[in-house]
Order: sequence, then C-alpha cells, then structure tokens
Amino acid sequence: DAGITQSPRHKVTETGTPVTLRCHQTENHRYMYWYRQDPGHGLRLIHYSYGVKDTDKGEVSDGYSVSRSKTEDFLLTLESATSSQTSVYFCAISNSGGKRYEQYFGPGTRLTVT
Amino acid sequence: QQQVKQSPQSLIVQKGGISIINCAYENTAFDYFPWYQQFPGKGPALLIAIRPDVSEKKEGRFTISFNKSAKQFSLHIMDSQPGDSATYFCAASMSNNNDMRFGAGTRLTVKP
Repeated sequence: DAGITQSPRHKVTETGTPVTLRCHQTENHRYMYWYRQDPGHGLRLIHYSYGVKDTDKGEVSDGYSVSRSKTEDFLLTLESATSSQTSVYFCAISNSGGKRYEQYFGPGTRLTVT
Repeated sequence: QQQVKQSPQSLIVQKGGISIINCAYENTAFDYFPWYQQFPGKGPALLIAIRPDVSEKKEGRFTISFNKSAKQFSLHIMDSQPGDSATYFCAASMSNNNDMRFGAGTRLTVKP
C-alpha cells in the first residue's frame, strides 16, 4: 500500500462522539486525500491537502474537518459522528508535477457509528 | 449527481474470456482517466490510466479504449483469469483541481 498506513483499521463509536482517523505516509508526497467508500457510490472525496497546513474541501465535506501539521500526517475528524458517516475511509497520496494524478491508496479504516 | 457513470454493476466471465467495463462522463474538462482495481479488504490500486489525446492504451492484458466525442471510455481485460476477480473503478479528474470523481464500481468474477 505504497508506504501509507491508516489508524485505527476498525472503529465502532456512538452517535454524537468525535472521532479522529489518522493517515501516515513515508513517501514524502505533497498531496494527501481522504475518501469515503459506500456501496453504489464508489469513492467520494471528503478533503484533500496540497501541503502542510494547506487543505481544501471535496465533494462530501460536511461534518468533517482535516488537519495537516506535518508532511507525513493527515488527520480526518468527524466532529460529531452520525450514522450516515458509517463507511470505509481511505487515505490516498500523490506526488507533485506530472505524477500528481496518480493516487495511491492506504488500506482503509472501517468506521461504524451506532 | 454522479459525474462518472459505470456499467455493469457486476460481471461474470469465464477464464480466458474478455472482460469489458464501460464508463461515461459528462464534464468535458476531465483530462485524466484512471482505472483502479480493488480486492476485498484492500485499498484501490492504480491499474492503468489514459489521457484524451490518445484513443487506446495497453499494458499487458489490460487495455483502455477512449472515445472523446462520445465521452466514454472502457477497460478491456484480455484472457481473464480467476486472479482478476475484484472490483474495478473508473475515475476522471481535471488539471486545475484535485477532485477525482469515481464511478460506482464493477464487481468482476472470473470463473475457472
């Protein structure tokens, strides 16, 4: 999985609690992304980062926030988890220049909100 | 509204046969079209990609065919093998942003 780790790999949490997922890369790639994967929807971009402290919203950003204080770490926070946020979350990375479009994915985090 | 539509949802092919998965897109600003392969419990893995300045790209048994005027592209897997059984996603992105749009996925089963 291209030097990408995600933690935790599985989490069950209750509605209304905050949750933070972590993505860690060892590739020193500039771009990092958070996606959610749901049946019938493929993967949908939540937020992405184009450098330390530089982030932007994706297609489904409501209810999520991100932070990137170091090149290697990208955190996704669900401020107050809801059942609709039950999903599999994938982190991805890509390099700069001509390789920017080649995204490499981590192993995923399965999140269940009860 | 899904900007990339993928079909079929599922596909069963005999070993040695040809698997064909189709995608259609709406936004003509898209200029990069990758295909990803995903095995159960794993993250998607980049398989092959094409840009709209070529009509076909081949890597081993995998070929992308691209029809710019029809806004369609397809993945062909020649001599399909049981090890190719996975879910395949098409996607599209554009040069001026990082928002890659994915199709809903096709679950391919190759029977021995």
